[in-house]
Amino acid sequence: SAVISQKPSRDICQRGTSLTIQCQVDSQVTMMFWYRQQPGQSLTLIATANQGSEATYESGFVIDKFPISRPNLTFSTLTVSNMSPEDSSIYLCSVTQTSGRNNEQFFGPGTRLTVL
Amino acid sequence: AQKITQTQPGMFVQEKEAVTLDCTYDTSDQSYGLFWYKQPSSGEMIFLIYQGSYDEQNATEGRYSLNFQKARKSANLVISASQLGDSAMYFCAMTTLTYGNKLVFGAGTILRVKS
Repeated sequence: SAVISQKPSRDICQRGTSLTIQCQVDSQVTMMFWYRQQPGQSLTLIATANQGSEATYESGFVIDKFPISRPNLTFSTLTVSNMSPEDSSIYLCSVTQTSGRNNEQFFGPGTRLTVL
Repeated sequence: AQKITQTQPGMFVQEKEAVTLDCTYDTSDQSYGLFWYKQPSSGEMIFLIYQGSYDEQNATEGRYSLNFQKARKSANLVISASQLGDSAMYFCAMTTLTYGNKLVFGAGTILRVKS
């Protein structure tokens, strides 16, 4: 399975600032996604990170708040902009592999964000 | 629309016994996939098992098996011989052909294994 790393693993940020989260995969993958998990909640998809083009956002998420880049098949970034305490969550990237068995999807270790 | 329902907020099981975590799904797609993930307190999401809608046999992975009942639209996870390390949150999730590879998650079930 793909090995996925995320940086930072956790951060505490001030209201009004922005944080960029990196997701790095050790092999080329077809699709990369960003999810948010608010405290005590399930995971919600933010967007699909498209290589070489703009990300595809789910309802309720906009590019100005969560800009995403994917310059190649192994790397993506998610920025949480103009943060408020409501943005305190775990942010996870996930990938599907080009030759993955049975459409397996793997997750990175997550970034635990606290906004004060 | 795709929807996953997990009706058990929390479950207890005695060590070495088996436990079943319930999951029902709703979709109008004929082609879909069902997933189970484990999330320990560290927050990472660990892939456990996958079942495709056209798979005729129930998926198994070690101590994990998926009891797939298509007519009932259920995909229950069975953990055999529970271990203390199985204590975690468990999420059922689904992808559909229409929705691509995007996962839709249930609310999760917290499992506590007692010694």
